[in-house]
Amino acid sequence: EVQLVESGGGLLQPGGSLRLSCAASGFTFSSNWMHWVRQAPGKGLVWVSRINPDGSVTTYADSVQGRFTISRDNAKNTLYLQMNSLRAEDTALYYCVRTKVGGYYFDYWGQGSLVTVSS
Amino acid sequence: QSALTQPASVSGSPGQSITISCTGTSSDIGGYNYVSWYQQHPDKVPKLMIYDVSNRPSGVSNRFSGSKSGNTASLTISGLQAEDEADYYCTSYSSSTTVRVFGGGTKLTVL
Repeated sequence: EVQLVESGGGLLQPGGSLRLSCAASGFTFSSNWMHWVRQAPGKGLVWVSRINPDGSVTTYADSVQGRFTISRDNAKNTLYLQMNSLRAEDTALYYCVRTKVGGYYFDYWGQGSLVTVSS
Repeated sequence: QSALTQPASVSGSPGQSITISCTGTSSDIGGYNYVSWYQQHPDKVPKLMIYDVSNRPSGVSNRFSGSKSGNTASLTISGLQAEDEADYYCTSYSSSTTVRVFGGGTKLTVL
């Protein structure tokens, strides 16, 4: 069974840093593109970032470019999102999401990790 | 403002059919057959309903169907049921720097 379990969320002040982790199991993690998608309270889904299977290609939404860094450790089956210079508008539930091999759609989602940025 | 445009809300009675539109540009919906749709019930994780414009994953009811014309994709739900009441989001691959774009979401109310 495919499982994606996020951790690392919390409450922090503007300007702070946080690293989210996503532990993957039930599939060959090193074969899939992985993404982070976020959802602010009461709002819609917003794509944040993606990384290719071997970690050599990363892409970011304009709103987080230069502040967030996506990475992965295929030996540990773990996806990361390093979040720096956090702003109030980054407050959201952050989902770890898998793209099916050879596909362009999100077939499995984690339960999400809540990040709250507030003074 | 979301990159893809969806109606904020739609409604229908049990047994009826409804269609949710999702409008983009030639850089996303119009340029690729990589539109997918997700259903999200309150406080739940999004669920894949349609991929690659019109394909249904295993386990998704055949009451759900997808299509595309030009820069607009559509999700149709036939034989509406109370359990279909949820938020629905479209997304597409994009050739822009933001390689994935979502619609703002549509709240479906079953009257």
